[in-house]
This record gives sequence, C-alpha cells and structure tokens, in this order.
Amino acid sequence: GEDVEQSLFLSVREGDSSVINCTYTDSSSTYLYWYKQEPGAGLQLLTYIFSNMDMKQDQRLTVLLNKKDKHLSLRIADTQTGDSAIYFCASEPGYSTLTFGKGTMLLVSP
Amino acid sequence: EAGVAQSPRYKIIEKRQSVAFWCNPISGHATLYWYQQILGQGPKLLIQFQNNGVVDDSQLPKDRFSAERLKGVDSTLKIQPAKLEDSAVYLCASSPVTGTGSYEQYFGPGTRLTVT
Repeated sequence: GEDVEQSLFLSVREGDSSVINCTYTDSSSTYLYWYKQEPGAGLQLLTYIFSNMDMKQDQRLTVLLNKKDKHLSLRIADTQTGDSAIYFCASEPGYSTLTFGKGTMLLVSP
Repeated sequence: EAGVAQSPRYKIIEKRQSVAFWCNPISGHATLYWYQQILGQGPKLLIQFQNNGVVDDSQLPKDRFSAERLKGVDSTLKIQPAKLEDSAVYLCASSPVTGTGSYEQYFGPGTRLTVT
C-alpha cells in the first residue's frame, strides 16, 4: 500500500523560513495535502496541490511537488510562534482515501 | 459555517467495556470518514461513508468496531469490547463534492479514548 514519510522534527527561529519535506510511494496519487494539527485539536487543512502542478503558493505557504522523485515540500515564509504545531502530509492514492505521514513537529522559538 | 462536531471529547473506560462516539458532519457534506490516531502517528482511516453507504471499511476491525450513518448525516462509531490498544484519538472528517476532483477533508476536534 501507499507509504508517506516525513522527518519528525524541525526547529526554527521566528522570522525564518521553514521547510517541511515529505515523500510518498504511489505515483497515481492525484492530490497531495498538507494539514496542521495543534495540541488537542483536529487537523486543519492548510493547502493541497494537484499532481500535474509543480508549485502552488498561498500567502505565506508554498508547496513544491517533484512528481518524478515523489517528493513534496511545504515552505512557510516568515515563520511565527503561532505556526508551532504538527504538520501532516497526505497523499490520495485511491478514491478520496487519504494516507497520512506520521507528522513533522515544528517548533518556532522567539 | 459550523464545523464537524464530535462528542464526547474525552472518554475513559476499562478494557472489555463498550463505547460509542458521535459525529455530525458539516451540513451538505456527502462523505464522512472515521480515523484512528494513535499517539505519535498520523490518522489511519477506519471507515468511509458516501451518504449512508460504506465506501471503504477495509481497515476497520470488524470483530469489535462497528459504524453506521443513518439518513446520510450523523454517524456513530462503536467499540465492543474495547482493548488496551484501542486507546487513541478518534477523528471524524467530512468532505464536500468539489467538482474539481479533490477531496478536501474537514476534521472535527476528535474524541480521546483511554482504555485502562
């Protein structure tokens, strides 16, 4: 089945850019998603990219997709302390079914 | 627009007891999902409904878990009997028909289950 891998932890200073990386195995994934989870909360959809796109920008968020290498990244510009959370990458290998990675904990220090 | 509602938010039970979780999706969302999120892991799909029909329940442990979505709106997930390894957060999500082919899923706050 589909496997989604992420690095587990990233620490940055406030104002820096953060880059969270993700790899997936199923090349038939149509859409790829980024979710954010704050402590004690459900997952919040941040953005998603269609598999025939290379890049998508949404305010401070930039998603890059390298379909050949099955690599997805999320860049957060001007990272703020409020961005501290766990970020999940998810692929859609089947009919509306999502496979999630284990999540990357982003810690932003002042 | 109201989000996905879940209750209860927390539940503590002893092993071999039964428990039920409730979910009310965003109004108009045809697709409803139940996920299990074990500490330190990403959510794992348990069951997916399209209206009141099951689309995917391949990862639902059917000997102890059951779910229903009557009238294609609210849904309940039941565990009977519970095991220690069922301790997790149970997340409900719903998604609309977007017309673009994407299935943006909107999550509720989850129910944290502790089995002792």
